[in-house]
Amino acid sequence: AQRVTQPEKLLSVFKGAPVELKCNYSYSGSPELFWYVQYSRQRLQLLLRHISRESIKGFTADLNKGETSFHLKKPFAQEEDSAMYYCALKGVSTRGYSTLTFGKGTMLLVSP
Amino acid sequence: DAGVTQSPTHLIKTRGQQVTLRCSPKSGHDTVSWYQQALGQGPQFIFQYYEEEERQRGNFPDRFSGHQFPNYSSELNVNALLLGDSALYLCASSLGGLGSTDTQYFGPGTRLTVL
Repeated sequence: AQRVTQPEKLLSVFKGAPVELKCNYSYSGSPELFWYVQYSRQRLQLLLRHISRESIKGFTADLNKGETSFHLKKPFAQEEDSAMYYCALKGVSTRGYSTLTFGKGTMLLVSP
Repeated sequence: DAGVTQSPTHLIKTRGQQVTLRCSPKSGHDTVSWYQQALGQGPQFIFQYYEEEERQRGNFPDRFSGHQFPNYSSELNVNALLLGDSALYLCASSLGGLGSTDTQYFGPGTRLTVL
């Protein structure tokens, strides 16, 4: 079974402070991990995926297979980063189809 | 392109009733996935439709059923509604096929309240 754990419901930081949103996963195969973000009154949208190894809006995330983690980081938080962040795992079923499993989400609140 | 659209935006039903939710995928997408997001939880996968067939299903009872039309739009039906079915129902579309990168694009959701 695949599982995604986001241990923090709320992370509150000041503008300019570093941010790390934690995500741990459980999956027997080769995982593909994503971070999705939901800004206030907007739809859920993809922020980044580990296979792209990209930085989006200053956020990065590295897949650590040894620790089964995919933490989201940003060196200097901005007020516009305030949003709900979901970590998601794409697993492949025995039939070969992929499904997304989401964590419960972490609310990031960046104060001025 | 309006992206993924869902209707209605909000819906109120009573226990035991049946409900149908609708989703139109992003232009060019052929795969539709449905998720249930209860309050304070992350989206939970219900099922996925591709080429008008249900090809993957999450841990949801048979009361939850769906359909995909030739134009790739989809419906989610829930029978014999329970209070616990109250949630935000999300539709996501992607470009399907085995082995695809299939990034999922989400709709705004339908808020279902069961009284």
